[in-house]
Amino acid sequence: KAGVTQTPRYLIKTRGQQVTLSCSPISGHRSVSWYQQTPGQGLQFLFEYFSETQRNKGNFPGRFSGRQFSNSRSEMNVSTLELGDSALYLCASSLYRGQTDTQYFGPGTRLTVL
Amino acid sequence: DAKTTQPPSMDCAEGRAANLPCNHSTISGNEYVYWYRQIHSQGPQYIIHGLKNNETNEMASLIITEDRKSSTLILPHATLRDTAVYYCIVRDGSGNTGKLIFGQGTTLQVKP
Repeated sequence: KAGVTQTPRYLIKTRGQQVTLSCSPISGHRSVSWYQQTPGQGLQFLFEYFSETQRNKGNFPGRFSGRQFSNSRSEMNVSTLELGDSALYLCASSLYRGQTDTQYFGPGTRLTVL
Repeated sequence: DAKTTQPPSMDCAEGRAANLPCNHSTISGNEYVYWYRQIHSQGPQYIIHGLKNNETNEMASLIITEDRKSSTLILPHATLRDTAVYYCIVRDGSGNTGKLIFGQGTTLQVKP
């Protein structure tokens, strides 16, 4: 079974632009979560989607948004990019929501904001 | 904030067992302990999880103390490819979210 895939793998943008990242979960998985990883803050939770609904959101500004489609694929969008948005963005999928459900991560998208 | 405390770094000789400790003194009764590892700039890789009993799979063993306030991840025969950052995570106990709260983890360096 194929793992979580994320596209693109690398991206360079300039301040003020917006960006859309894509995540395809493992086949059959219905829950998708997004994380941001930076050297200073480590791995931080962005948001979680289940059945096309955002179920949980981390402490990030409104410039960060996401959505999930009926086939469970998810996208996240960052508008008005800032230098501090440079990070590795990780997507994780799981079968369903819950504390015993294992999340599997994709390889990430490396975003550089110039 | 993360509910776990881990040493920032550890060394291990290749072929020997690597024992990675984790403290989670405020864990509640229905919270699971999960371990992930991250090899440089890759996505975190799931290793193992447990609630009360010790667990073993093809990658590692997880030993949880009886009071559940700490645990140890054991890699029985460490190889150079096991060099990574290891994260111990206590899953949210409500069961209403898949959110994972990562701490700083332990950087394990396996040396030849």
